[in-house]
Amino acid sequence: QVQLVQSGAEVKKPGASVKVSCKASGYTFTGYYMHWVRQAPGQGLEWMGWINPNSGGTNYAQKFQGRVTMTRDTSISTAYMELSRLRSDDTAVYYCARSSPDYGDTYYFDYWGQGTLVTVSS
Amino acid sequence: QSVLTQPPSASGTPGQRVTISCSGSSSNIGSNYVYWYQQLPGTAPKLLIYRNNQRPSGVPDRFSGSKSGTSASLAISGLRSEDEADYYCAAWDDSLRVVFGGGTKLTVL
Repeated sequence: QVQLVQSGAEVKKPGASVKVSCKASGYTFTGYYMHWVRQAPGQGLEWMGWINPNSGGTNYAQKFQGRVTMTRDTSISTAYMELSRLRSDDTAVYYCARSSPDYGDTYYFDYWGQGTLVTVSS
Repeated sequence: QSVLTQPPSASGTPGQRVTISCSGSSSNIGSNYVYWYQQLPGTAPKLLIYRNNQRPSGVPDRFSGSKSGTSASLAISGLRSEDEADYYCAAWDDSLRVVFGGGTKLTVL
């Protein structure tokens, strides 16, 4: 069965960086895109971007360009999301989520990780 | 402020039919597919509807989606207590991003 297992909660100071991992199992890791979506406490969902694990190509939401880096290690079927220059309003649960690379199916997410809480506080 | 507009809350009694609306624009709902997610308290979102009205396997046919112009809606028939959750609509926007609604909290009375 498809599983996306994320790394544990993080507490960071403003200005620091955080790197969250997402280990995939139960499917061919390089056959699907991996997206990152975040949810601030009590708030809605916000899309951050995707990585194509096959090519390493990325597409970041404009809001996060310059601060986010998505990478992958195909040898261990793991995707990573690193966010730098953290601010207090980056406090959120960060989710990885899988999508098909097929045209028309790229932008919905059929499996999600369990989420990683990142708290930014001085 | 979310790009897609949903009512913050909705409610119904067991067995009732409830609809949740999602309003967008020509750059998102008007020209792209709509998706719906269910988020139970303390859990990750779950895909309910894709390509406007398609259900993934395992999603009961009590859930249905529709789209007209720049608006979409999710209908839940035969409401059950376990349907109590937050519901989000989403779509690709021509500004090159996925956009979400602010979410609708469904209460089963």
